[in-house]
Parts: sequence; structure tokens; C-alpha cells
Amino acid sequence: GNSVTQMQGQVTLSEEEFLFINCTYSTTGYPTLFWYVQYPGEGPQLLLKVTTANNKGSSRGFEATYDKGTTSFHLQKASVQESDSAVYYCVLGDGTGSNRLTFGKGTKFSLIP
Amino acid sequence: EAGVTQSPRYAVLQEGQAVSFWCDPISGHDTLYWYQQPRDQGPQLLVYFRDEAVIDNSQLPSDRFSAVRPKGTNSTLKIQSAKQGDTATYLCASRRLGGQDTQYFGPGTRLLVL
Repeated sequence: GNSVTQMQGQVTLSEEEFLFINCTYSTTGYPTLFWYVQYPGEGPQLLLKVTTANNKGSSRGFEATYDKGTTSFHLQKASVQESDSAVYYCVLGDGTGSNRLTFGKGTKFSLIP
Repeated sequence: EAGVTQSPRYAVLQEGQAVSFWCDPISGHDTLYWYQQPRDQGPQLLVYFRDEAVIDNSQLPSDRFSAVRPKGTNSTLKIQSAKQGDTATYLCASRRLGGQDTQYFGPGTRLLVL
């Protein structure tokens, strides 16, 4: 089956620093990879999507790249702001019409006060 | 366009009590998903529907959990006899088949079982 691993449970940075979140995945099919973001009291919302065809995605200043050789998937942002404080999930879609999603455990990002 | 709505937003129960969660998906979305999100974890799929049909309920604890979507629109998830281990946020998501891969999530119902 599909699985996703996010090792970073929490990341804390100063404003305008560089954010990097790593994720590895395991699958037997041809997945679609997503990053979802969840703000307090809300459901997850799609941040961006990367297909195995194009290797990259970007949205709202965030970029994601995937490496098929190492089955890893990264999210990065050059200059973080207070509004970026949230939980970020690496998500694997099963690539079928059902689009079953497998979520990682999430990485909580916050600014140093 | 209205998003996915869920009610209630919060529920507190004693063990052994029953509870129902209600979900209204985005209009025109034929696929509906229910997820369980324990504290500090990612959401985990419980069951999903296409129109009124259950497509996959293999992760639903069938002895106490049930889910229906009788007219292919709104859906109800019910826990018959809640346990402390059921404490979590229950999320509903919907998607339009044939459109983008995007699932749109509601705000969730936070359940606490004492």
C-alpha cells in the first residue's frame, strides 16, 4: 500500500527565513503528490500539487519538487511570514479515479516570537 | 460557491453514548469522503461514497461506525457506542469526479469521549 513519512514534527523559524520540509513516500503505482495546509480550527486545504510528469509545483510563494529516484518530496519557501504558521501535510494520491489520499503526520510551522 | 459544511462543530460524550455527524458537500460534487484525524496526526480515510454508493469502507470500524449518503448529497456518520479511543476530529471532504484531483474539506467536528 501507500505510505508517507514526515520526520519533522515541528519547525520554528524567524521571519523571512527559508522554510524547507522534507517528505518521503512509498507506493506501487503512479501517484500524484500534494501538499495540504491546515490552519487552526479548519480542515486541510490544498496548497499545491505535483504530478510525476512535471516534477514541480508552486503556489502562494511555496515550491514543491519531487525526486522519483529517492521517492522524496520537498516543500520550500524562501521567506516565511507570520501568516504561514500552520500544519503542512505531505499527501499521496493513489492516482486512480478514486483519488484516495494518504496523509503524512504533518509538520507544524511557527515563527519565533 | 459554498464550501463543505459540517455539524455539529463540537461534541462531548461519555463512553457508550451514540453520536451522529452531518456533512453537506459542495453542490455538484459526487464523491464524498469521511476522515478521522486524531490529535497531532494527519487525517485517515474511513469511508467514501460516489453518489449514494459506498465505494470503500474497509477502514471503518463496522461494529460501531456506520455511514450513509441516501440521496447522493448529504451524508451522516454515526458512532453507536463511543469509546475514548474515538476522540478525534471527524472531517468530511468532497470532490467532483472528472474534475481536478482536489478534495475540499469541511471544518470538521471535534469529538471528545470521556
